[in-house]
Amino acid sequence: EVQLVESGGGLVQPGGSLRLSCAASGFTFSNYWMKWVRRAPGKGLEWVANINEDGGQIYYVDSVKGRFTVSRDNAKSSLYLQINSLRVEDSAVYYCARGGHTRGHYDYWGQGTLVTVSS
Amino acid sequence: QSLLTQPPSVSAAPGQKVTISCSGSSSNIGSKYVSWYQQVPGTAPKLLIYENNKRPSGISDRFSGSKSGTSATLGITGLQTGDEADYYCGTWDDSLSIDVVFGGGTKLTVL
Repeated sequence: EVQLVESGGGLVQPGGSLRLSCAASGFTFSNYWMKWVRRAPGKGLEWVANINEDGGQIYYVDSVKGRFTVSRDNAKSSLYLQINSLRVEDSAVYYCARGGHTRGHYDYWGQGTLVTVSS
Repeated sequence: QSLLTQPPSVSAAPGQKVTISCSGSSSNIGSKYVSWYQQVPGTAPKLLIYENNKRPSGISDRFSGSKSGTSATLGITGLQTGDEADYYCGTWDDSLSIDVVFGGGTKLTVL
C-alpha cells in the first residue's frame, strides 16, 4: 500500500523557517517524480514544487522561488521541503504527492502538515 | 483567480446524479489531459480521474470524466453522503511555468 506521511509543520513567525518531511512507503520511491502542493485556508490547491527521480530536475512556483528548497533522499525514501523567509501568505496545509506515470496528475497524496505563519 | 473555472458549489439528493464542470482554454484543457480529485475535509486529496476519463484502480465506476473542447466534466451517479467533499479539476498550461494548475474547487453537498 502506497503511503505518504508528512511532518514538520507548526506555528512560526514571519521570516522564520521550517523543514517539512514526507516519508514514503509501499513503492519504489526512486522511480517517481515527487511534488509539494499546498492548500491555504479558504482557498484551493496550489502546486508548489517538483523534483525528479534523482533530484537533478527541480521546479518551483514563482511565489516561492528563492525561499523554498525541495530535496529528496532516495536511500531513506524521503522528500523534504525547506521553507525560509516565511510569509503570512505561506500559511497552508502542505501535501506531498507522487507524480503519475503520465504528466498532469498526482496519483497518491499524503494527509498534509499544517504551516501557520503568524506573529 | 484560477485559469480553470469551477462552480463554487453544487448539491443533489442521495441517489441522484450530479455533474461538476471545469472550464479552461485552448492552451490547457483544450489540448491537455484533465484530472479530477476529491478532498473530504481533513483528509488527503484522492485522484478520481486521470487522462480525462480513466479511473485509477479502486475508484468506483460511479465517478466518470469527460472532456469536450475547452471544458471538462466530472459526473457522479448514485450520490452517497460520503461523497460530500471538495472536488478539483487539474491540468497544465504551456503558457505557464506551473506543473499542474487546479481549478478553484467545487463543494458538493449531498442533501
